Amino acid sequence: AQSVTQPDIHITVSEGASLELRCNYSYGATPYLFWYVQSPGQGLQLLLKYFSGDTLVQGIKGFEAEFKRSQSSFNLRKPSVHWSDAAEYFCAVGAVGANNLFFGTGTRLTVIP
Amino acid sequence: EAQVTQNPRYLITVTGKKLTVTCSQNMNHEYMSWYRQDPGLGLRQIYYSMNVEVTDKGDVPEGYKVSRKEKRNFPLILESPSPNQTSLYFCASRPRLSAEAFFGQGTRLTVV
Repeated sequence: AQSVTQPDIHITVSEGASLELRCNYSYGATPYLFWYVQSPGQGLQLLLKYFSGDTLVQGIKGFEAEFKRSQSSFNLRKPSVHWSDAAEYFCAVGAVGANNLFFGTGTRLTVIP
Repeated sequence: EAQVTQNPRYLITVTGKKLTVTCSQNMNHEYMSWYRQDPGLGLRQIYYSMNVEVTDKGDVPEGYKVSRKEKRNFPLILESPSPNQTSLYFCASRPRLSAEAFFGQGTRLTVV
């Protein structure tokens, strides 16, 4: 069965601290992986994506993610969090020609001064 | 500018009053889909369309209809909305041979 698990519903970090958001997936085909961010009241913005090649991918806003096939994971990281990073983050998995993108349930990030 | 446009952005309606949420894309994408987002559930697919006149159910199709008469448009129809359809709705499109979807800005629907 296809699924995405984001085990952390809510994470609180201090501004300037490092961040790691976890994502595990189960997918029958070669996975294409995505991280989206949703600021309060806003739509979905693509942070980064992994299709193939280098397993460490860089995205916008200083985010990066590492694909680990052996662990079926695609964790999102940022070395130093800014207050503007407070948002909800979604991991998603799909494939070329697939009918659906499967989303995790999201991780809400709170940044404290 | 390449984009997926949804209208309206916000809608409050009453139970049973038919409504349509429009979705239009200007990227000539074959594939379009609708998702709903609910707290704690993430995004779930309602319907998708692989091309003109080709539509199929997603994971949560009950209470919704769609049509795809033109390549660029994929409206979502709620014939008799109920309060459990209160949600944030997203339309998405992508090329046939790609995994990357492009999302609209969302439509926040409240059914009272």
